[in-house]
Amino acid sequence: GQQVMQIPQYQHVQEGEDFTTYCNSSTTLSNIQWYKQRPGGHPVFLIQLVKSGEVKKQKRLTFQFGEAKKNSSLHITATQTTDVGTYFCAGPASNFGNEKLTFGTGTRLTIIP
Amino acid sequence: DTAVSQTPKYLVTQMGNDKSIKCEQNLGHDTMYWYKQDSKKFLKIMFSYNNKELIINETVPNRFSPKSPDKAHLNLHINSLELGDSAVYFCASSPIPRKSYEQYFGPGTRLTVT
Repeated sequence: GQQVMQIPQYQHVQEGEDFTTYCNSSTTLSNIQWYKQRPGGHPVFLIQLVKSGEVKKQKRLTFQFGEAKKNSSLHITATQTTDVGTYFCAGPASNFGNEKLTFGTGTRLTIIP
Repeated sequence: DTAVSQTPKYLVTQMGNDKSIKCEQNLGHDTMYWYKQDSKKFLKIMFSYNNKELIINETVPNRFSPKSPDKAHLNLHINSLELGDSAVYFCASSPIPRKSYEQYFGPGTRLTVT
């Protein structure tokens, strides 16, 4: 079945350093979504990418969708303590629309103040 | 106003018991989901309903039975609870099926089976 892997599994950074998480799908995706889950919280939608090679920015966050639409990345510039949490990518299952998302394994980000 | 709400937030129970978790969304969405998040934070879909109709049923033991009385509510009943059922269960909703729209998650129900 479809697998969505993320690396790294954990990342500890000093506040102010940059952070990147990479997402790789075993199948081509029609789109990819990113979610953030704060410790003790629930996943919150961040963004969706649809086009091959698409790049979107949200303040210090930069999201990229690969040319082959099988991988994606999230880069955070100059991390802050508010960035702490687990970041998930998610893509629709190939035989479904977005009613069935396969979530990535997640990258847990901790910030050292 | 809470968009997706779940009750209870915490549930501690013994093996063999039966329990229910309730979910309600006030977003007017057509599609609702149940997810299970284990201790390693892996998030897996269990069920999906669209307008009260079951459209996704992953390989979940039949001890788990979802029920959608109307499109704003999706409940999850679990029979004969086992230790391995301990997890956080999230309800979610999304606006339109077969479209690329985000999912809105509830706060989660932390189930502990002892």
